[in-house]
Amino acid sequence: QKEVEQNSGPLSVPEGAIASLNCTYSDRGSQSFFWYRQYSGKSPELIMFIYSNGDKEDGRFTAQLNKASQYVSLLIRDSQPSDSATYLCAVNRYNFNKFYFGSGTKLNVKP
Amino acid sequence: GAVVSQHPSWVICKSGTSVKIECRSLDFQATTMFWYRQFPKQSLMLMATSNEGSKATYEQGVEKDKFLINHASLTLSTLTVTSAHPEDSSFYICSAIRGTEAFFGQGTRLTVV
Repeated sequence: QKEVEQNSGPLSVPEGAIASLNCTYSDRGSQSFFWYRQYSGKSPELIMFIYSNGDKEDGRFTAQLNKASQYVSLLIRDSQPSDSATYLCAVNRYNFNKFYFGSGTKLNVKP
Repeated sequence: GAVVSQHPSWVICKSGTSVKIECRSLDFQATTMFWYRQFPKQSLMLMATSNEGSKATYEQGVEKDKFLINHASLTLSTLTVTSAHPEDSSFYICSAIRGTEAFFGQGTRLTVV
């Protein structure tokens, strides 16, 4: 079983719609959760992180965490074509201080 | 935010030669850095954990004699791909941890011909 699982997509949404990206993780000891965006040929860039159950909002982005279900999601409101990229979910266990990445979900926002 | 600089951004080398990639944390000290490899359309795969002043810890399946890691200072880790072969062609990315966040270098596109 993979540490972090994501649907590879592609997920296609029209411009202005809400994009919903999902991620599950296997280790209940995971402490912190991150969403990264990666454009083709570029390095990942951090979008958001979340530590506590519930929702965390930052501009058009909302991260949602449910530790009981071992599930974390990212909502992108008012999606723009510039949001088209691969979104990587990552989890971190403080005691190991390693990041484990999902395979990423490719998002296409159509004008 | 924190900046991690990786150099070079891309390199082409002949099969059998060695290539060194540098990863620097520019505005913070990083006792631990990580090296990842990413093949096309695949996710980041952790290769090794670089520890300042001590030996690197390699993930299962990664040859330590082929991928030499040196973390000589709190701001610099290097990855040397020795005797590179075409199958080593990939995108190599380093990251450094500050607190509980990971910051990534720009990545190095290695092509072995």
